[in-house]
This record gives sequence, C-alpha cells and structure tokens, in this order.
Amino acid sequence: DVVLTQTPSTLSATIGQSVSISCRSSQSLLDSAGNTYLYWYLQRPGQSPQLLIYLVSNLGSGVPNRFSGSGSGTDFTLKISGVEAEDLGVYYCMQATHAPPTFGSGTKLEIK
Amino acid sequence: EVQLVESGGGLVQPGRSMKLSCAASGFTFNNYDMAWVCQAPKKGLEWVATISYDGSSTYYRDSVKGRFTISRDNAKSTLYLQMDSLRSEDTATYYCARGWYFDFWGPGTMVTVSS
Repeated sequence: DVVLTQTPSTLSATIGQSVSISCRSSQSLLDSAGNTYLYWYLQRPGQSPQLLIYLVSNLGSGVPNRFSGSGSGTDFTLKISGVEAEDLGVYYCMQATHAPPTFGSGTKLEIK
Repeated sequence: EVQLVESGGGLVQPGRSMKLSCAASGFTFNNYDMAWVCQAPKKGLEWVATISYDGSSTYYRDSVKGRFTISRDNAKSTLYLQMDSLRSEDTATYYCARGWYFDFWGPGTMVTVSS
C-alpha cells in the first residue's frame, strides 16, 4: 500500500499566521492518464472529516480561499494563509491513485 | 443539502455480526459510488470498502475481505455494511462517504467489539 507521511504531526499557530503541512508519498501519485488523486481533509474536534482540497489544488465546495494545495509526484503541501480559530483540528492527506486508498497519519493544528 | 446518516452501531461480541446502514438524501444516490471509512479510537482514517453506483462492483481493504460485505439499495437511497466474524480490531467509528474521494461524510456510527 502507498504510505503517506505527513509533517509535522503537531502544529501550533497564532491567529493570522500562515502555516504549511507536508504530505510525502512512498510512490508517485501521477497516473498514466496524467491525473494526480491527492486530497486534503480537516477533522474538527468531535466531527467527521470534511473535504478541503481535491486533485491536489482544487478548493472543495464552501471551503475558504485561505486554504490552498500544491505539489506533484510524491510531494504535496497544504497551506493556510491566515489561520482562523475555526481551523483547529486534524488535517489528513489521502491518495486514491493506487489501490487501496490510503490516508496520512494526520497533522494536528492547535491555536495558541 | 447532501446528508448521510449512519445507524446500526453498538456493542457486539467478537465473532458476531452487525449490519450498518447509511441513509442518503439531497443528491441523486444512484449516480454515485459510495464508501465506508473507519477510524479506530484516537487513531487515523482507514478506507474500508467502496461500491459502484449500480452495485455491480465492490472493493475491500484486505483486512475485511471475506468478512465484510458492502451493498446498496438505490430505491431506498441506502448504503449498507454487513460485518461478520467481528474482531476487537474492528472497533471504530464507521463513516459513510460519497464517491471515491469522499466529498461528503456522515457523522459516523460507533462499533465496539468486545466481550
């Protein structure tokens, strides 16, 4: 199975600070058709996950534009430009290029 | 508004069975593949199974193959997960999610496998 390594595991930020989360894959996530099936989710405390970013860099429905995704191949980044209090929770990357779909171990964002 | 609501979780003994349901609304259910994703207590997310929009194809993670069965009733807009020969390591919150990239999730239902 593809292993996704997220760093850091914990992140502490002040309101307004910009932060980045890295997701590195054990295999390239580019498929033979030129698609990269890499996604980002946020799980707020006590809630189910919600989709933030799909196909590396596309914003999910209703997701604020302070969230952005980038990357290619095996290295991907989620950036939050100006953290807000509601952004606290655990962020997961997920790949669906290779079966089975696999998730990273998560990055917990704490607000200082 | 898309809604997914799971039910059927609870406490079950090892080796026994349990069937989860997920009622969908707010979208054309039979246009979408559907999935189950689980999360063990204080742990990360793990894909469990996916079923195609028409039920003709199913996919499972290795650890549940032969024990879990995903199915759907498009007339009722409902997704199911039949879990047999349950093990303690199956203890988790089970989420119903839409599509192959899980753009919507239900609130989850907790399954505890313990004697």
